[in-house]
Amino acid sequence: KAGVTQTPRYLIKTRGQQVTLSCSPISGHRSVSWYQQTPGQGLQFLFEYFSETQRNKGNFPGRFSGRQFSNSRSEMNVSTLELGDSALYLCASSLGEIENQPQHFGDGTRLSIL
Amino acid sequence: GDSVTQMEGPVTLSEEAFLTINCTYTATGYPSLFWYVQYPGEGLQLLLKATKADDKGSNKGFEATYRKETTSFHLEKGSVQVSDSAVYFCALSAYGGYNKLIFGAGTRLAVHP
Repeated sequence: KAGVTQTPRYLIKTRGQQVTLSCSPISGHRSVSWYQQTPGQGLQFLFEYFSETQRNKGNFPGRFSGRQFSNSRSEMNVSTLELGDSALYLCASSLGEIENQPQHFGDGTRLSIL
Repeated sequence: GDSVTQMEGPVTLSEEAFLTINCTYTATGYPSLFWYVQYPGEGLQLLLKATKADDKGSNKGFEATYRKETTSFHLEKGSVQVSDSAVYFCALSAYGGYNKLIFGAGTRLAVHP
């Protein structure tokens, strides 16, 4: 069974631009979560979607947003990019109906801001 | 708020040595606890989990026991291999937080032949 797929794998943007990252969960998984990984702050939770609804959100500014489609695929968008947004963005999926189920991660999108 | 504290790395061991990576947590209620592993250039892979006190999670020779009295979930392996070299993350998922994972800072393990 195919794993979690994130596209693109690498992105280079400049300050002030916006970016959209994509995540395709494992077939049958309805929950998608997003995380930011940086050397300084580690792994931080961005938000989680289940059946197209955002169920939980981390402490990130409003520039970070996401959505989920009816096929469970998810996108996250970052507007007005800042140098500090350079990070590895990880997506994870799970079945989602019951809490605390194991989450399966993609290999991430590495975003570099120049 | 909820948090996870891991021992700082890097941890450097010889092949076949015994491994312990300490993890303690702070949480209200009864969280589920996880260990994830990250190999270079890859995402995180679930290594093992425990959902209630005294549960022991195990996988690929790794073990961890959910100790509520000491709020700990230490990772152990009796004999490490070079292929175990990676970064290990302890994480919790609090009840009511849906699938939000709170991670420790990660511990880098380097195993030498």
